[in-house]
Amino acid sequence: GEDVEQSLFLSVREGDSSVINCTYTDSSSTYLYWYKQEPGAGLQLLTYIFSNMDMKQDQRLTVLLNKKDKHLSLRIADTQTGDSAIYFCAEISFSGTYKYIFGTGTRLKVLA
Amino acid sequence: NAGVTQTPKFRILKIGQSMTLQCTQDMNHNYMYWYRQDPGMGLKLIYYSVGAGITDKGEVPNGYNVSRSTTEDFPLRLELAAPSQTSVYFCASSEGGELFFGEGSRLTVL
Repeated sequence: GEDVEQSLFLSVREGDSSVINCTYTDSSSTYLYWYKQEPGAGLQLLTYIFSNMDMKQDQRLTVLLNKKDKHLSLRIADTQTGDSAIYFCAEISFSGTYKYIFGTGTRLKVLA
Repeated sequence: NAGVTQTPKFRILKIGQSMTLQCTQDMNHNYMYWYRQDPGMGLKLIYYSVGAGITDKGEVPNGYNVSRSTTEDFPLRLELAAPSQTSVYFCASSEGGELFFGEGSRLTVL
């Protein structure tokens, strides 16, 4: 069945780069998403990548997609304390309806 | 620009009580979803709807019911609350691209 896996925790020092990894199983996914959840809030879309792309850069964020290994990563350059949050990887597929499968989320802690 | 609105934000229930979590969206989205979030478990899909009058079960539907009488509203009902339903519940909507989330409803069953 479909499954999206992420490590649960990541701790980095302020100013360093953070890399959050994700593996997925559905090769038919058209888009892969990264959502950010701050404490006590809902999930907000951070960035996404279309399945025919290898890389997408958006200011401090770089998304890398390896379709062969079904591996997705999110790199945050110059990580700030405001980046502390839970980051969810998600894939979307269509089978009668749009299904969004989320990973367990990676809790990023940025140390000052 | 309200987006997806959920109420209540917090609720404490006793075992066996019933309640409805309300969800409304103002983006005219056809697809709506209810997820629950448990620590370290990510988001699990409870129910979803592809349009007014059409609903279907997700991964963890037991103990819940939904209805979709209008495009805007997608309430989630808990009939006989159990401690296992203690969780944070998120409503979301989309048109097949970005999934828009509400702020969440934290439910505790004691």
